[in-house]
Amino acid sequence: AQTVTQSQPEMSVQEAETVTLSCTYDTSESDYYLFWYKQPPSRQMILVIRQEAYKQQNATENRFSVNFQKAAKSFSLKISDSQLGDAAMYFCAYRGYNSGGSNYKLTFGKGTLLTVNP
Amino acid sequence: GAVVSQHPSRVICKSGTSVKIECRSLDFQATTMFWYRQFPKQSLMLMATSNEGSKATYEQGVEKDKFLINHASLTLSTLTVTSAHPEDSSFYICSASPPGRGGAKNIQYFGAGTRLSVL
Repeated sequence: AQTVTQSQPEMSVQEAETVTLSCTYDTSESDYYLFWYKQPPSRQMILVIRQEAYKQQNATENRFSVNFQKAAKSFSLKISDSQLGDAAMYFCAYRGYNSGGSNYKLTFGKGTLLTVNP
Repeated sequence: GAVVSQHPSRVICKSGTSVKIECRSLDFQATTMFWYRQFPKQSLMLMATSNEGSKATYEQGVEKDKFLINHASLTLSTLTVTSAHPEDSSFYICSASPPGRGGAKNIQYFGAGTRLSVL
């Protein structure tokens, strides 16, 4: 079974600074997807960024980028120019590649609570 | 992105009553939807996979008779918490992925969640 580990229960960053959230995972599959979701106090899950394992290039979405190291099974999230609105719980998630039914299900890490200090 | 609507957002009920939560995909058809439970300051725990036109697949340890799932159409899945008790109080979240090819298929979109409080 796949597992996702987020070793940082809490992180803090100063506004406008950069912070990196770590995530490691364990899988025997060669193709899969990785995601970072954000859950603000409203508790709405919001997709931040995703990475296909077969792509070597690291995904980037504006101020958010990932460092995907497939051999090390590492998938960290870097937030640049942190803003107060970035404060939230961040979850790393894994999804297998094969389509259909329960193969779509996500395996989540325990989350990292990010605080942004003004 | 795709929109998933969940209703109600908050429900308070007496112990012993049943509560139904609806999850709708508003702009796409979803043959599969997922139901999660989340305790305060914890991660999402998958409860079951809802399959349109067939029985739901429950995760180990989840009581099928307690948490009834019905996926009667391609845009609606319901979770009914039967004979609710205080220990069922939690935050319940649904999600769905758009079908077809392409990137959107691989993304799960989440409802806003339902906070259930059983007195």
